[in-house]
Amino acid sequence: EAQVTQNPRYLITVTGKKLTVTCSQNMNHEYMSWYRQDPGLGLRQIYYSMNVEVTDKGDVPEGYKVSRKEKRNFPLILESPSPNQTSLYFCASSLSRSGGRELFFGEGSRLTVL
Amino acid sequence: KQEVTQIPAALSVPEGENLVLNCSFTDSAIYNLQWFRQDPGKGLTSLLLIQSSQREQTSGRLNASLDKSSGRSTLYIAASQPGDSATYLCAVYGGAQKLVFGQGTRLTINP
Repeated sequence: EAQVTQNPRYLITVTGKKLTVTCSQNMNHEYMSWYRQDPGLGLRQIYYSMNVEVTDKGDVPEGYKVSRKEKRNFPLILESPSPNQTSLYFCASSLSRSGGRELFFGEGSRLTVL
Repeated sequence: KQEVTQIPAALSVPEGENLVLNCSFTDSAIYNLQWFRQDPGKGLTSLLLIQSSQREQTSGRLNASLDKSSGRSTLYIAASQPGDSATYLCAVYGGAQKLVFGQGTRLTINP
């Protein structure tokens, strides 16, 4: 089954404790992206990657890192989480961004930083 | 800067009604527009993708239209069912690897 898989789905952590949210897709998609969703602010793009070893900042990249060492994986790293990073995070992938292709989303990872 | 607006923010209708959800965008220079459905606590499910050269797309009871010149799109749901209850989001792609989302319309279908 074609899917985007995120882990963990739920996480409660404390300020400053490094964490990684993994994202994997099995559709051989080139483009992958991370979003956060907050009440009243909607979905905002954090980082995106157009291919292996190619990543770039979205609208709200501060406090986050990403890497794309393999085509299927695009982990989101919070080096020193803070309470304002409490949010619902989504990973998404698309066959290609050039010309516009359908975007597929993971189930989301709800993160709480105390 | 592209802005996407969805009105109303919430809508409640009885089962069986046909309904229209609205999406407007400020910059007509888009490549495509995508409609998503989001169930509570879940991810987004793609419903329909309309390329800028298209006027509409259909999938089952759903029909999405696009009028680029006026910066509007509508999602028509025929014969609504309780299972259609969800939040519906539209998103426009204007290049630069950025998809801009609306805030969504929370739809409730009452049995």
